[in-house]
Amino acid sequence: KAGVTQTPRYLIKTRGQQVTLSCSPISGHRSVSWYQQTPGQGLQFLFEYFSETQRNKGNFPGRFSGRQFSNSRSEMNVSTLELGDSALYLCASSLGTGRGEQYFGPGTRLTVT
Amino acid sequence: ILNVEQSPQSLHVQEGDSTNFTCSFPSSNFYALHWYRWETAKSPEALFVMTLNGDEKKKGRISATLNTKEGYSYLYIKGSQPEDSATYLCAKYSGGGADGLTFGKGTHLIIQP
Repeated sequence: KAGVTQTPRYLIKTRGQQVTLSCSPISGHRSVSWYQQTPGQGLQFLFEYFSETQRNKGNFPGRFSGRQFSNSRSEMNVSTLELGDSALYLCASSLGTGRGEQYFGPGTRLTVT
Repeated sequence: ILNVEQSPQSLHVQEGDSTNFTCSFPSSNFYALHWYRWETAKSPEALFVMTLNGDEKKKGRISATLNTKEGYSYLYIKGSQPEDSATYLCAKYSGGGADGLTFGKGTHLIIQP
């Protein structure tokens, strides 16, 4: 069974630009969650999509958005990038019950200059 | 306790010794408690998902216990091996709303040969 994949793996952008990250979940998983990992804050929940609908959202500004397609693949978009958006962005897929484990992708390392 | 907290922040253990660390979380709105192991240059990997007060789970030399009434979970590693070196994360799932998985900042475990 193929694991969770994320593209691109590394990205360098400048302030003010926008970026789109992609996540392909494990086959059969309908839930995709996105997390931001920074050295000081640890893993922070961004949002979760289940069957193309945003089901949960963390405390991030509206510049962070996402969507999910009918094949469960998900994209995350960050507009008007700020230096503080530099982080590792992880996605995780699961069956979506909350009681099941999440399977994480390798992450996208975003650097904003 | 308002957030998920883990202690200690880091830990050095001699190979062969046993060790344990703590995850504390708000006992209200509890749905599930997750444990993940995150090795350097890899993705977080699920160890356990625990839902019931008094739950005990075991996987090889690693085990975990859960007390939902007082809001804590312990992770135990018996006979530590160098491959156990990793950051161990716990996360609380509150069943919806704006939370998703709320992670602690992790315990960084280093096994010394």
